[in-house]
Amino acid sequence: EIVLTQSPEFQSVTPKEKVTITCRASQSIGSNLHWYQQKPDQSPKVLIKYASQSISGVPSRFRGSGSGTDFTLTINSLEAEDAATYYCHQSSSLGTFGGGTKVEIK
Amino acid sequence: QVQLQQWGAGLLKPSETLSLTCAVSGGSFNGYHWTWIRQPPGKGLEWIGEIHLSGGTNYNPSLKSRVTISVVTSKNQFSLNLTSVTAADTAVYYCARGRVATHWGQGTLVTVSS
Repeated sequence: EIVLTQSPEFQSVTPKEKVTITCRASQSIGSNLHWYQQKPDQSPKVLIKYASQSISGVPSRFRGSGSGTDFTLTINSLEAEDAATYYCHQSSSLGTFGGGTKVEIK
Repeated sequence: QVQLQQWGAGLLKPSETLSLTCAVSGGSFNGYHWTWIRQPPGKGLEWIGEIHLSGGTNYNPSLKSRVTISVVTSKNQFSLNLTSVTAADTAVYYCARGRVATHWGQGTLVTVSS
């Protein structure tokens, strides 16, 4: 089973600040890594697919990068509405999710 | 647009079988993987398994002995069965479209309690 390790688990950030979330896979998964945003009492929403591909309707401040075992989600110029928990997910071998990163607005 | 509507029993006793169904509307049912994911209260997401009309099923190894995902193509529906549930199976269960879960159901809270 491929394990995804996300860091940090929690981040408190001021608006307009840049946020960086990392996801490390226990073995190489190519670019089969996706990022989701989940707000309280809502279903998750996909932000980035295949490591760096944008999703229609998702603000351009959300950017993904990486390949192999190391991946990054960057939120440029954080907005208040970005307060949420973020998850990475691999689809290279079955499916697994990272533990999540909660982003709080200061 | 694509919508996923899910339903099923929300309260089960230990050892019973969890059954959920997800209906897909507004888009093609063919050509996609259809996925089930769950989230225990206050915890993270767990991938349960997927089905593809031409490629069969794949399951989380930790649940494989208890899980069945099936599809009714004529109704654009797919289902999840999880046998011998325990309190550890208490979670919000989501259905989703694709290996990249681009569309999600609204979630169903299933509580297992005696």
